[in-house]
Amino acid sequence: ILNVEQSPQSLHVQEGDSTNFTCSFPSSNFYALHWYRWETAKSPEALFVMTLNGDEKKKGRISATLNTKEGYSYLYIKGSQPEDSATYLCAPPDNYGQNFVFGPGTRLSVLP
Amino acid sequence: ETGVTQTPRHLVMGMTNKKSLKCEQHLGHNAMYWYKQSAKKPLELMFVYSLEERVENNSVPSRFSPECPNSSHLFLHLHTLQPEDSALYLCASSQDSDGQGNYGYTFGSGTRLTVV
Repeated sequence: ILNVEQSPQSLHVQEGDSTNFTCSFPSSNFYALHWYRWETAKSPEALFVMTLNGDEKKKGRISATLNTKEGYSYLYIKGSQPEDSATYLCAPPDNYGQNFVFGPGTRLSVLP
Repeated sequence: ETGVTQTPRHLVMGMTNKKSLKCEQHLGHNAMYWYKQSAKKPLELMFVYSLEERVENNSVPSRFSPECPNSSHLFLHLHTLQPEDSALYLCASSQDSDGQGNYGYTFGSGTRLTVV
């Protein structure tokens, strides 16, 4: 079973704060990593597909980086807003490089 | 609305019942997936269909039976379930039939299943 870790498990920040969280994964059999945002009572929404070591992708105030050699990806949110409150999931490939394994997520609450 | 529609949204069934979950997408995607999320656990892959053929059966008990009649529809047939099967069942689709992971998944809203 692939061990995907996300930290922290949860965090609370004030509106306007910037924050970041981590996804750690074994670096073997890597070919892509997905980030998703999952708001309560909604569907998980794809944020980024990261494929290359050193990749940095940005979508509005949210950005992500990837280090495949050391097996981690960071997600950054600049100037958090209440609408950013959600669970953020990462999904690297499984041990066989065939399917994606979801991490436990980081639950973000942005307080107004 | 994401483009992936799941019905029903909520389902309560007895352990002797037979029911089916339905998933539909008209995004032109050629891969479809069933995921399960139990309380306080990560999303767990159950089944993968690529180009209408099952390519993954992730050690799922036979009381769960998937069906993919065409590229737009996916079903999960349920029979003789146990209370521990109560969970959120999510369907997803992607363009990623070659398994290279270059496309994110589009998820439905899920079916909240309770087995009594």
